[in-house]
Amino acid sequence: DAGVIQSPRHEVTEMGQEVTLRCKPISGHNSLFWYRQTMMRGLELLIYFNNNVPIDDSGMPEDRFSAKMPNASFSTLKIQPSEPRDSAVYFCASRGDSRSSYEQYFGPGTRLTVT
Amino acid sequence: AQSVTQLGSHVSVSEGALVLLRCNYSSSVPPYLFWYVQYPNQGLQLLLKYTTGATLVKGINGFEAEFKKSETSFHLTKPSAHMSDAAEYFCAVPGTGRRALTFGSGTRLQVQP
Repeated sequence: DAGVIQSPRHEVTEMGQEVTLRCKPISGHNSLFWYRQTMMRGLELLIYFNNNVPIDDSGMPEDRFSAKMPNASFSTLKIQPSEPRDSAVYFCASRGDSRSSYEQYFGPGTRLTVT
Repeated sequence: AQSVTQLGSHVSVSEGALVLLRCNYSSSVPPYLFWYVQYPNQGLQLLLKYTTGATLVKGINGFEAEFKKSETSFHLTKPSAHMSDAAEYFCAVPGTGRRALTFGSGTRLQVQP
């Protein structure tokens, strides 16, 4: 199993540019999560999909952030326009469909730097 | 809402010494408790989890944690620290309703030679 795959691993962009982060969950997993990690705020849940449908996006900071999951094997997190305060490590995680399981599997993260 | 509190954002131990990382949860019903580890420049990796049954849970790399309902605690321990244990450790519980996880603020473990 390849695990959760994220790309790119590092992204450096200028303020105002559009940034797209990509995630491929573990095959067969039907829940997908996007997190953001910063020194100041720790690990924050941004959005949670179940069966490709956004269930809870209350953690999305503002309208500049959007996330999609067009199919079970792919999700994107887009920031448009990007700002320096968006600099963080963004993680994608996936989880299987067991009713009793909350265990999430994390990708390696994308380190975003907005200058 | 369910939450976890990790006491001590930084813990430093000598190689070979006991590791104790503290986690307290707030909930009357803790069906699941987790410890994750994050090595530098990597994602979070599951270290161990408590679901039901035995209250002493063994995980990878020699770590274990004990669920104590009377103390609402799930502290992580390892008898003898190794240099490779240096990482950040997160305690987590299921969030209310969303089936996502709520993570603690993390504890960074340093291991001195």
